[in-house]
Amino acid sequence: GQNIDQPTEMTATEGAIVQINCTYQTSGFNGLFWYQQHAGEAPTFLSYNVLDGLEEKGRFSSFLSRSKGYSYLLLKELQMKDSASYLCAVRDSNYQLIWGAGTKLIIKP
Amino acid sequence: DVKVTQSSRYLVKRTGEKVFLECVQDMDHENMFWYRQDPGLGLRLIYFSYDVKMKEKGDIPEGYSVSREKKERFSLILESASTNQTSMYLCASTDQEVSGANVLTFGAGSRLTVL
Repeated sequence: GQNIDQPTEMTATEGAIVQINCTYQTSGFNGLFWYQQHAGEAPTFLSYNVLDGLEEKGRFSSFLSRSKGYSYLLLKELQMKDSASYLCAVRDSNYQLIWGAGTKLIIKP
Repeated sequence: DVKVTQSSRYLVKRTGEKVFLECVQDMDHENMFWYRQDPGLGLRLIYFSYDVKMKEKGDIPEGYSVSREKKERFSLILESASTNQTSMYLCASTDQEVSGANVLTFGAGSRLTVL
C-alpha cells in the first residue's frame, strides 16, 4: 500500500528553527509537495520538490531524497503566524496525490 | 487573487437528508476535486473532474455523487447523509497540466455534521 508518515504534532519556540519530516512509500514518484493549513482555513501551497536536494524560499526550505523516500520542511526564524498544520503530499506514478495526515506545529513565545 | 469558493462553511443535517455542497472557482481551471479531511488521516479524494460533464471516482466515492454542468462549478452530493459522513469537505482546482509543480488551489472548506 501507499503511505506517507509525518509526526502528528511538534512544538517550537518563536525565533527558533524547526524541521518537519515526511517519509513516504508510494508506487512511483512524480514530485512531493508541502502545504500549510491554518486552523479553519484552506491549505496553501508552500513548496514542490521533484529532484534531490534543497529548495529554499525565504524562511522556508524543503529537502528531498528520493532514494530514501524522505523529505523535510525547514522553517527558520519562527513567527507566531507559523502555527499551523503542514501537509506533505506525494504524486505517484498515476499522477495522483497521496497525502500525509499533517503535522500540527505549535509556536510558543 | 485566484479563488475557490465553497458556499457553505458549516452545515448540520439529519441522517437520510440529501446534502449539496457547492464549489465555484474563478480561474478557468479544467480540473476540480472534492476531498474530505478527517483528524489523523490524510486528505482523501472523493471525486474529481477533468472537464465539464466529466467525473472520475477517487479513493472513497461510496455514498457520494458529483455534478459538473459548468466549468467553474463542481457540486458534491450526498444522496442520503449518514453519520459517518460527518467531516470537513475541501474543494480544490488546478489547471490542465498534471506534471510539474501543478499546484492545487483549495477552498476554505465546508464542515458538515450529520446527526
